[in-house]
Amino acid sequence: EIVLTQSPGTLSLSPGEGATLSCRASESVPGSYLAWFQQKLGQAPRLLIYAASNRATGVPDRFSGSGSGAVFTLTISRVEPEDFAVFYCQQYGRSPYTFGQGTKLEI
Amino acid sequence: QLQLEESGPGLVRPSETLSLTCTVSGGSISNNNYYWAWIRQPPGKGLEWIGSVYSISGSTSHHPSLKSRVTISVDTSKNQFSLKLHSLTAADTAIYYCARPVLEWLGGAFDIWGLGTMVTVSS
Repeated sequence: EIVLTQSPGTLSLSPGEGATLSCRASESVPGSYLAWFQQKLGQAPRLLIYAASNRATGVPDRFSGSGSGAVFTLTISRVEPEDFAVFYCQQYGRSPYTFGQGTKLEI
Repeated sequence: QLQLEESGPGLVRPSETLSLTCTVSGGSISNNNYYWAWIRQPPGKGLEWIGSVYSISGSTSHHPSLKSRVTISVDTSKNQFSLKLHSLTAADTAIYYCARPVLEWLGGAFDIWGLGTMVTVSS
């Protein structure tokens, strides 16, 4: 199975700063089928990005995704107070569809 | 607006079978060939894809780590899909989510999720 490793484990920032989250795959993700999710405490995950760089409906444009092959990045241009949460990447290019272990974005 | 809702027991004994249902409202489960999914999250831990079922063909796939313990099915007449997980252990304690991918045929990138249901495996 494709193993996803996210870094850093925790990212401590202040509102207004930029954030860069990394997701590295153990092998190339077919079709760059890589998604990013945001999960707040007690809530279901929310889709932010799919196919590496496509924003999901309603997602603010301060969120952007990039990458291909085995290296992917989620960028938040200026972190807003409501952005603090745990972020997960998921590959769905090859079954089993796997998630990274998560990056916690904290104030 | 499409909504998903999980239902099932909150407490199950070890070695027994967990049965969960995801009811789809606000649209028909068989309008398109989506790959409806079950995902779980142990307390304080990350997400794990359990398996998926195509709404029209009924074909399924599941995580090999769960081996033959998983059965996933779809009932288009009830607008539901279901998960059965056999031979439960404490390691199966988790929040169980049902979800739908953003596009047909995809195995991930879930844009619609249920609220999740907490399942505890304990005697």
